[in-house]
Amino acid sequence: SQQGEEDPQALSIQEGENATMNCSYKTSINNLQWYRQNSGRGLVHLILIRSNEREKHSGRLRVTLDTSKKSSSLLITASRAADTASYFCATVGGNAGNMLTFGGGTRLMVKP
Amino acid sequence: GAVVSQHPSWVICKSGTSVKIECRSLDFQATTMFWYRQFPKQSLMLMATSNEGSKATYEQGVEKDKFLINHASLTLSTLTVTSAHPEDSSFYICSASYGSWSYNEQFFGPGTRLTVL
Repeated sequence: SQQGEEDPQALSIQEGENATMNCSYKTSINNLQWYRQNSGRGLVHLILIRSNEREKHSGRLRVTLDTSKKSSSLLITASRAADTASYFCATVGGNAGNMLTFGGGTRLMVKP
Repeated sequence: GAVVSQHPSWVICKSGTSVKIECRSLDFQATTMFWYRQFPKQSLMLMATSNEGSKATYEQGVEKDKFLINHASLTLSTLTVTSAHPEDSSFYICSASYGSWSYNEQFFGPGTRLTVL
């Protein structure tokens, strides 16, 4: 079953703008991950943030994690048309081995 | 490294037939493989987890007799959709991981789109 909700469900921005997506979850986690999925394709792993971390960067990506609020955000800076995709957060529970539970996803469209 | 392939990438079949989807880890030995189903514009839903040489663990609501999973080797898992019906039409994605119980990254295949007429 899905762990959490993602907000917004869809986001449309202009190239060069920043895109922020949020993810909330319900149970305790070991780590939280963000994935990208281009239409009709498999998933690409973007970034993993552990439960004892608060912020992580990777290139134009910035992920934050607030375990007290059970929420995470993904910020894509200076967006490009090629960033158009669906973005999913997924959590790994504290006692669930490496099983991923996915959120509903945010469909991002970056207009050139 | 850590490449996972799926075959076929898409398949169209008639209602009542069975379809087999293969998931292979190309450059590593996958101790665990996962099968997900994704309906249009929806998220991935875990169907089952399989460990090499043992029976798959199915998620609640997933019929094990309809979705047969075989993880015969450390590099191959197969999902067979038996007696497929139009409502089984979906995007099926596998992933693979290696290592011990503690967290290890899952590497995803490109997915297989199944259309049942």
